Amino acid sequence: GEDVEQSLFLSVREGDSSVINCTYTDSSSTYLYWYKQEPGAGLQLLTYIFSNMDMKQDQRLTVLLNKKDKHLSLRIADTQTGDSAIYFCAESIAGTYKYIFGTGTRLKVLA
Amino acid sequence: GAVVSQHPSRVICKSGTSVKIECRSLDFQATTMFWYRQFPKQSLMLMATSNEGSKATYEQGVEKDKFLINHASLTLSTLTVTSAHPEDSSFYICSARADRGNTIYFGEGSWLTVV
Repeated sequence: GEDVEQSLFLSVREGDSSVINCTYTDSSSTYLYWYKQEPGAGLQLLTYIFSNMDMKQDQRLTVLLNKKDKHLSLRIADTQTGDSAIYFCAESIAGTYKYIFGTGTRLKVLA
Repeated sequence: GAVVSQHPSRVICKSGTSVKIECRSLDFQATTMFWYRQFPKQSLMLMATSNEGSKATYEQGVEKDKFLINHASLTLSTLTVTSAHPEDSSFYICSARADRGNTIYFGEGSWLTVV
């Protein structure tokens, strides 16, 4: 069945880089997304990558896509305490506009 | 840019009552909207696809009589949790597909607490 997996927790020190990993299942997904959810808040789209791309960089964020292994990662450079949140990867099901979300990774940034 | 608004953002209701959550596209038309639910410390799960002018399509395991969806206009879908129970307490979030461009926009979500 469809399943998007992420590690549950990640803890880093302020100023270090964070790498959040995700594996997905639908090889026909056109876009893959990263969302951020702060405590008690909604979803914020951080970035997305088209499936024919290997990498996308947007300021402190770098997305890497390994389509062969169905592996997606989000690297946050110079992680700040304000980056503490839950990060969800998501894939859109081909032919629909439904999203399958990963389990979410709770990032904790230590000062 | 395009915005999807959900209301209320937080609601507390008594067990046995019904509560309605609105999802509104503010500057675009959306024939199709989606409702998701997030259980505590879990991921978001698609509940149903809301189609303007027709019945919603529910995902397997979601009770359509429990979670009533109405998409009466091109900018508004509502989710009504009927006869709410404490286990319905959750984070409900909608997304809307813009008719022009097919981009998906998410609302900010609604926190429901049933006491």
